[in-house]
Amino acid sequence: DGGITQSPKYLFRKEGQNVTLSCEQNLNHDAMYWYRQDPGQGLRLIYYSQIVNDFQKGDIAEGYSVSREKKESFPLTVTSAQKNPTAFYLCASSGLRDYQATNEKLFFGSGTQLSVL
Amino acid sequence: QQQVKQSPQSLIVQKGGISIINCAYENTAFDYFPWYQQFPGKGPALLIAIRPDVSEKKEGRFTISFNKSAKQFSLHIMDSQPGDSATYFCAAPVSGGYQKVTFGTGTKLQVIP
Repeated sequence: DGGITQSPKYLFRKEGQNVTLSCEQNLNHDAMYWYRQDPGQGLRLIYYSQIVNDFQKGDIAEGYSVSREKKESFPLTVTSAQKNPTAFYLCASSGLRDYQATNEKLFFGSGTQLSVL
Repeated sequence: QQQVKQSPQSLIVQKGGISIINCAYENTAFDYFPWYQQFPGKGPALLIAIRPDVSEKKEGRFTISFNKSAKQFSLHIMDSQPGDSATYFCAAPVSGGYQKVTFGTGTKLQVIP
């Protein structure tokens, strides 16, 4: 089945530690995204990538880093500089936006819940 | 970046009733308005979407109404069912090319028997 796989489902971070969230897609999508979800605040964009080896900061990129070495993979690292990392992290992908096509949607993974020990 | 303002934050509806969620936008360049549905512990999934060249789109029990002059769009869930209990997000694209979107803050819907 085509889709997006996020792992792990639950992750705990110790103070001062960097942690990496995995995101893999087999939908052959060019674009991938990372969102952070906090209760009552909707989804906020952390980073996005439109093509391999290229990515752009979203609205809340501070304290996070990403890489896009392969089309299928877009890992997110939550660094020790992110002082409030507890949140639900969602990875998404999409095809090229085309008014006439059916690429007009984001496909989301099942998320990773990150908590601080 | 323009925002999308969503209301209400939470909603309780009796089974068989109509659920209505509203969103307002500011950026007139927005040309595509999707609604996503999210169940607890899962990622959102596209529910229904509309373009501003039509005023209404219906898919089963779900209808989007669009008011371009008021810069508002709403989701109506007819004959609401307990299985519809979820969080709903409206969204609008920020720029063309790829699906970089801005989301509303979400509405938690509970349908009670």
